Amino acid sequence: EIVMTQSPATLSVSPGERVTLSCRASQSVSSNLAWYQQKPGQAPRLLIFGASARATGVPARFSGSGSGTEFTLTISSLQSEDFAVYYCQQYNNWPPWTFGQGTKVDI
Amino acid sequence: EVQLLESGGGLVQPGGSLRLSCAASGFTFSSYAMSWVRQAPGKGLEWVSTISGNGVTTWYADSVEGRFTISRDNSKNTLFVQMNSLRADDTAIYYCARNDQVVWGYFDYWGQGTLVTVSS
Repeated sequence: EIVMTQSPATLSVSPGERVTLSCRASQSVSSNLAWYQQKPGQAPRLLIFGASARATGVPARFSGSGSGTEFTLTISSLQSEDFAVYYCQQYNNWPPWTFGQGTKVDI
Repeated sequence: EVQLLESGGGLVQPGGSLRLSCAASGFTFSSYAMSWVRQAPGKGLEWVSTISGNGVTTWYADSVEGRFTISRDNSKNTLFVQMNSLRADDTAIYYCARNDQVVWGYFDYWGQGTLVTVSS
């Protein structure tokens, strides 16, 4: 099973700041990595797939990069609606499909 | 518009059973693998089970293997999971999710979830 590790667990930031979230895989997942956003009381929402492709309707301020074992989600200028928990997920070797433990972005 | 609507959650005693449903609309249901993903209170996301579009192939997390059964009715655009021998650590919000059509790898649409509470 591939273990996904996200850092940091919590990130305290201010609106307008640039935010970088990290995700590491226990072995290479190539570019088979997705990022999700989850706001309180809501279902997760797909942001990024293929490590860097934005899903439909995702604002351009969200970008993903990386391959192999190291990945990054960047929010170029944090908006108030971006405060949420972000999860990475690998799909290179399944089953199981595995998620990171999440990074909470708060004020 | 893709919509996924779960139902069937509730309070059940340890050792009990529950069947969750997910009604899908807005896409050709039989063309997509579908999954259940759960989230324990205050915790992260955990993949539970996936079924192929034709219903022939299924996969399960080790934590539910032998206790949960995923199925689908493509004539009714509905996904199911039968959960038996429920334990306290099965308490979670259960989300129905659509796998992407190409590699079945990521989950491109999610339902709002249904809460399952296992407690005496």
